[in-house]
Amino acid sequence: QLQLQESGPGLVKPSETLSLTCTVSSGSISSSSYCWGWIRQPPERGLEWIGSVCNSGSISYTPSLKSRLTISVDVSKNQFSLNLNSVTAADTAVYYCASRKWYSFDNWGQGTLVTVSS
Amino acid sequence: QSALTQPPSASGSPGQSVTISCTGSSSDVGAYSYVSWYQQHPGKAPKLMIYEVSKRPSGVPDRFSGSKSGNTASLTVSGLQAEDEADYFCSSYAGSNNLLFGGGTKLTVL
Repeated sequence: QLQLQESGPGLVKPSETLSLTCTVSSGSISSSSYCWGWIRQPPERGLEWIGSVCNSGSISYTPSLKSRLTISVDVSKNQFSLNLNSVTAADTAVYYCASRKWYSFDNWGQGTLVTVSS
Repeated sequence: QSALTQPPSASGSPGQSVTISCTGSSSDVGAYSYVSWYQQHPGKAPKLMIYEVSKRPSGVPDRFSGSKSGNTASLTVSGLQAEDEADYFCSSYAGSNNLLFGGGTKLTVL
């Protein structure tokens, strides 16, 4: 079973860029069976899909974040990454990475809390 | 795009059945058979319980079942057990490679 692990700073200053990496193990990120996605969960709130990248080259972003967001894949490192610029306190959340088959997320990382504060 | 609508809470006694609804629109839940359900215990990552409306991943008890009618999807938990107490989230494909989540339902086992 695929294992995923998020990594990155837990504290980001307002207006700066939030950068996270997801390392995939027990499987290849270049597998045609999967897409890879990011989901976030603000404190005491619900889940929000951020975006996904597929090995076909297709990348999709949630419309509300599209102008600030970049998701990419590094096949050589078996990792995929999230960059969200111009962050505000509203971007404070637990960020999860996950593998996606069709339109379901079947393997999740443990999540990492990112706080936006000066 | 608006989040899918779920009741904030649901409850049932051990052994009973409870159904959680997830209402969308003709552009998401009503248009595609790509509704999923996730279980989340406090402090843990979500776990996929149902995909493609009614399919269960390996290892998920058959006490969990999913269905859809029109723009509303449902998750039914039969034979409630204490460990079923958790938050449940639905999601749906919404076209143009977009995904939507519901606001979540807190299930309490009385």
